[in-house]
Amino acid sequence: DGGITQSPKYLFRKEGQNVTLSCEQNLNHDAMYWYRQDPGQGLRLIYYSQIVNDFQKGDIAEGYSVSREKKESFPLTVTSAQKNPTAFYLCATSGTGAGAAKNIQYFGAGTRLSVL
Amino acid sequence: AQSVTQPDIHITVSEGASLELRCNYSYGATPYLFWYVQSPGQGLQLLLKYFSGDTLVQGIKGFEAEFKRSQSSFNLRKPSVHWSDAAEYFCAVGALDYKLSFGAGTTVTVRA
Repeated sequence: DGGITQSPKYLFRKEGQNVTLSCEQNLNHDAMYWYRQDPGQGLRLIYYSQIVNDFQKGDIAEGYSVSREKKESFPLTVTSAQKNPTAFYLCATSGTGAGAAKNIQYFGAGTRLSVL
Repeated sequence: AQSVTQPDIHITVSEGASLELRCNYSYGATPYLFWYVQSPGQGLQLLLKYFSGDTLVQGIKGFEAEFKRSQSSFNLRKPSVHWSDAAEYFCAVGALDYKLSFGAGTTVTVRA
């Protein structure tokens, strides 16, 4: 079944703890993105990666880290330095290369992170 | 950098009535424009997109949008809404760097 799989669906973090959100895709897309969604604020870009072993900070990267060791996977770690991590996190993918259609982003079902 | 404004935070519409959601963008060149829909607790689904050409674009679920360069707008419309159209709708603008900027969203409530 093709698509983007985010896990877990719900995640709880204790004070001082790092947690990792998983994002896996089998669409063979080059680019992957992490967004944070808070009520009334739309989606804000945390990190993105256009190719394996390379990634760039988005608008709100502080307190987060990522890796891109495989094309299929782009895990996001919410570190203890992120003081307000409670939010809905969305992973997205898109193709890259020539053609405007490569700009279309496809989204996973999201992970809701809460602080205990 | 590009940006998007969705002026309406919440719209309530009767089932069977028409719906229009407003979107204004800021970008120096011809933008790539998108509308996405999100049901509660779910990811975003693409409704439609504009890249170039015909300024009236058709999407899924009976939605359409019109690109108006002179007004920097990309409003979403549906002639007759169904209860299943209740959701949050996001307008987004993209550029050559493959990043999207999203508006804050408009929540649509459908009353019977």
